[in-house]
Amino acid sequence: DAKTTQPNSMESNEEEPVHLPCNHSTISGTDYIHWYRQLPSQGPEYVIHGLTSNVNNRMASLAIAEDRKSSTLILHRATLRDAAVYYCILRDGDTGNQFYFGTGTSLTVIP
Amino acid sequence: KAGVTQTPRYLIKTRGQQVTLSCSPISGHRSVSWYQQTPGQGLQFLFEYFSETQRNKGNFPGRFSGRQFSNSRSEMNVSTLELGDSALYLCASSVGSGGRTGELFFGEGSRLTVL
Repeated sequence: DAKTTQPNSMESNEEEPVHLPCNHSTISGTDYIHWYRQLPSQGPEYVIHGLTSNVNNRMASLAIAEDRKSSTLILHRATLRDAAVYYCILRDGDTGNQFYFGTGTSLTVIP
Repeated sequence: KAGVTQTPRYLIKTRGQQVTLSCSPISGHRSVSWYQQTPGQGLQFLFEYFSETQRNKGNFPGRFSGRQFSNSRSEMNVSTLELGDSALYLCASSVGSGGRTGELFFGEGSRLTVL
């Protein structure tokens, strides 16, 4: 699977929006962009995924660049519970559930 | 609907021993994948089983093995344990296999300590 690049850490104030960037310049046409997060002492949790178009769900929004070489996870109003490590992952549509998690972005939410 | 269940949650072994970890996926899910998480290496893919067949395998030695049963439950085994095998072992289940099938559901993991 192609690799992704994320900042090691970010901070956000509570109740404010958070934009978590991810670069994936070697993405292929069949790669889906997935985001997971891992809260302390828990297994990773699915956040959102998309292929080409922007996606919204109850947790977040995913904005995908037109050339698909980058994407941004948007948390509309950060809460303390959103403090976690966020992983941006490329996942081939045909080759199963083998994920390359990378190091992710550690998000700190400041009260 | 019950989530992914992993047993045991914690265990301590000594070098040279073997260990078997169990994972019960969400009902109806046919794919089970395993990951190892350590502070130094992060989350690393071990293998995936789909309908009792190993579909993908990560870059781990042959001491790490797994299997899946007809009810989709999966086990992974590590033989001849080494200190470096101390880690959190996470299991994830999914309805299908592949990027189109959406999310993986992770269990809380089995924390293995090798002394």
